Amino acid sequence: QSVLTQPPSASGTPGQRVTISCSGRSSNIGSQYVFWYQQLPGTAPTLLVDYDNQRPSGVPDRFSASKSGTSASLAISGLRSEDEADYYCSVWDDSLRGWVFGEGTKLAVL
Amino acid sequence: EVQLVESGGGLVQPGGSLRLSCAASGFTFSSYDFHWVRQPRGKGLEWVSGISTVGDTYYSASVKGRFTLSRENAKNSLYLQMNNLRAGDTAVYYCTTGLAGWDNWGQGIQVTVSS
Repeated sequence: QSVLTQPPSASGTPGQRVTISCSGRSSNIGSQYVFWYQQLPGTAPTLLVDYDNQRPSGVPDRFSASKSGTSASLAISGLRSEDEADYYCSVWDDSLRGWVFGEGTKLAVL
Repeated sequence: EVQLVESGGGLVQPGGSLRLSCAASGFTFSSYDFHWVRQPRGKGLEWVSGISTVGDTYYSASVKGRFTLSRENAKNSLYLQMNNLRAGDTAVYYCTTGLAGWDNWGQGIQVTVSS
């Protein structure tokens, strides 16, 4: 069982808004910054969100993220076919003294 | 242009060793922490190990005591020595770095542990 819990899948139609949750603990999400990564099929991951809710340069503002307590979430609005990918949350865990990833959420654009 | 290029992967028998390298270019290598992240085929990402700018190292529980991470700033290179390899270590291994989150990744290199 992963330290960070994400739903295995999510889906939406073009133009819709979808959210992906990431549930953790006080030793990780509850006290450390959350990062989100997007992994398109057959490619290396790319950074989507840093420091809980900051978009790196070049990331569309359709992507937003938030955190509350020991949970975080990623929202994608105006869904597009190119958003079909796997999405991972990641955070430093104070108890484990290492980084952890969520299990990943596969997003389908129907 | 920032580039991370992994090398050294391949097929190895259980109990064997491999050394992965990550060659960096396009930025000031010594100013960055580095990490290795692996991904078994069809599965999720797993953080393996990290090294700070001053050489402090961190390992996941699954590799601690078997893997050793080091860096050579003069050669802009990162090394992951992997000993006593197991079938469960089979994965694509990515080298990654960044100042605020990991925004630079290598293309990944396959490590297969099998008899």
